[in-house]
Amino acid sequence: DAGVIQSPRHEVTEMGQEVTLRCKPISGHDYLFWYRQTMMRGLELLIYFNNNVPIDDSGMPEDRFSAKMPNASFSTLKIQPSEPRDSAVYFCASSLSLDTQYFGPGTRLTVL
Amino acid sequence: QKEVEQNSGPLSVPEGAIASLNCTYSDRGSQSFFWYRQYSGKSPELIMFIYSNGDKEDGRFTAQLNKASQYVSLLIRDSQPSDSATYLCAVMGYALNFGKGTSLLVTP
Repeated sequence: DAGVIQSPRHEVTEMGQEVTLRCKPISGHDYLFWYRQTMMRGLELLIYFNNNVPIDDSGMPEDRFSAKMPNASFSTLKIQPSEPRDSAVYFCASSLSLDTQYFGPGTRLTVL
Repeated sequence: QKEVEQNSGPLSVPEGAIASLNCTYSDRGSQSFFWYRQYSGKSPELIMFIYSNGDKEDGRFTAQLNKASQYVSLLIRDSQPSDSATYLCAVMGYALNFGKGTSLLVTP
């Protein structure tokens, strides 16, 4: 079975533009997580879903960030408008339960 | 804020030696503990988990848990240059909380 799929793998955009990151979880996994990783802050949980329902979005830094999961096989993380401080690697992970999570390859976002 | 602390390193060990990676956590109620390996430019990869006090062995890797002292460690025996990576400790509380990782360098 394929692992977690993320797209795009790299995104370079200018400040103020809208960015949409995409994730396809492992089939059958009920949980989906969005993380952000930077050198300064490490790996931070932004939001997670259980059965397509957002459970905890307390890690979403501000209203410019939003996430959706319209069905069991697709999720998006949107940043509008983007800022240079949003530059990071964004990971999507999925799991059967809250703990044993499998990560996608990540999207490296650069906001100029 | 539930904290997971790791020494950032780098921890340098010669090939064939034992590498010891340590992690402390603040949430005394935590029940599940994980070690992820992350190669440079890659995503975290789960290598071990441990739920009970004591040791858990898997090949060259041994995870050790001491809930009373609130620490979890990872031992890598017969370290290889291919083990050079950042090792992330993760502790399950309300959600999975990650430490910032320890960079391990195994020198030939």
